[in-house]
Amino acid sequence: QSALTQPASVSGSPGQSITISCTGSNSDIGAYNYVSWYQLYPGQGPKLIIFDVNNRPSGVSNRFSGSKSGNTASLTISGLQAEDEADYYCNSYTSSTVVVFGGGTKLTVL
Amino acid sequence: QVQLQESGPGLVKPSQTLSLTCTVSGGSISSGLYYWSWIRQPAGKGLEYIGRINTKGSTNYTPSFKSRVTISIDTTKNHFSLTLSSVTAADTAVYYCAKRLPAATRPFDIWGQGTMVTVSS
Repeated sequence: QSALTQPASVSGSPGQSITISCTGSNSDIGAYNYVSWYQLYPGQGPKLIIFDVNNRPSGVSNRFSGSKSGNTASLTISGLQAEDEADYYCNSYTSSTVVVFGGGTKLTVL
Repeated sequence: QVQLQESGPGLVKPSQTLSLTCTVSGGSISSGLYYWSWIRQPAGKGLEYIGRINTKGSTNYTPSFKSRVTISIDTTKNHFSLTLSSVTAADTAVYYCAKRLPAATRPFDIWGQGTMVTVSS
């Protein structure tokens, strides 16, 4: 069982905005601003799209944004496009020695 | 731009040892102070961190793997490796190598495309 909880699936229509949540605890998301998000297409390696809660690496679309409130981090994708259909994983720094990821969320673009 | 590529057998028998290599291209594995990591994804499950090594050979492993895992680095061949002993069907997964700056707060900024390993007789 993953230490961070994500919804198994979300869906949206092209042009809409969707939000994926990632719930942790006072030992990880709630305590630190070190949440990252990864996009994963089948047959490819994960791609970093958000780090430090709300920062985008160079080259990542500004349609991707991150936020945090309490023990929950969120990834928002605005202006949904067909190419956004992928799996998304969150990751947080934790006070324990274990690196924690979420269980992943499958995004379907209707 | 650094790229990572995993390689190794796609099929391993139960109780045997899984061995994978991650080859670094586009840069030297020892040119910066990075953490070189292994992460896996069992079918239908989320990402699972195995451990990492730095360019000086210092390692850190997730406790649940600690008794079975070894990560090593060969700077002359520009690669690092994973060995996982006494494998079972539960070790069937896509295995990824990844890079991060040398701090646990840093994200994994470069990943390989992954290699599927099946444990079966």
